[in-house]
Amino acid sequence: DAEITQSPRHKITETGRQVTLACHQTWNHNNMFWYRQDLGHGLRLIHYSYGVHDTNKGEVSDGYSVSRSNTEDLPLTLESAASSQTSVYFCASSESFGQPQHFGDGTRLSIL
Amino acid sequence: QKEVEQDPGPLSVPEGAIVSLNCTYSNSAFQYFMWYRQYSRKGPELLMYTYSSGNKEDGRFTAQVDKSSKYISLFIRDSQPSDSATYLCASYNQGGKLIFGQGTELSVKP
Repeated sequence: DAEITQSPRHKITETGRQVTLACHQTWNHNNMFWYRQDLGHGLRLIHYSYGVHDTNKGEVSDGYSVSRSNTEDLPLTLESAASSQTSVYFCASSESFGQPQHFGDGTRLSIL
Repeated sequence: QKEVEQDPGPLSVPEGAIVSLNCTYSNSAFQYFMWYRQYSRKGPELLMYTYSSGNKEDGRFTAQVDKSSKYISLFIRDSQPSDSATYLCASYNQGGKLIFGQGTELSVKP
């Protein structure tokens, strides 16, 4: 079965460190997305990609970056981790606009 | 005004009850509607997907879209303790972004 996997599932790091969260999908979807989920804010879009070498900013992109070198992977990098970036991060993919997005099980990131 | 609004609950019902979960959306041009279920410490899982208006049924779950009132609903019949989760409604906006409601936390008591 096709799936979307995220790693690591949990991570603790210190402020100022660079952190990279991995996302790998076997759906062969063109579209991939990164969200963060926080109490009181719901799911907020960080970055998204509509294909290889395409990346776009979402509503909360400051301090984050992504790159898309192949169809399967969209890693999310926190350039210099801040305590405000403590959150649960979800990766998702979809076939095209209007189609449902399929989610991974998230990475719980704590920045001390 | 938020593009998709959802009552956050929490909602607690006895086992076997009929559950009604509701969302409103702001733009009558929205066409694609989804319901996701999210268990604790897991990712959102697609439950129902509907295009435009009308009803869609899948087992104990029925999704309903009323475009005239910009209202989407999810009904769960014969609710089970395993249905205890957070339910998220979502719709694509005209900018191509999937907009989520805040989520409703449901607890089904045995």
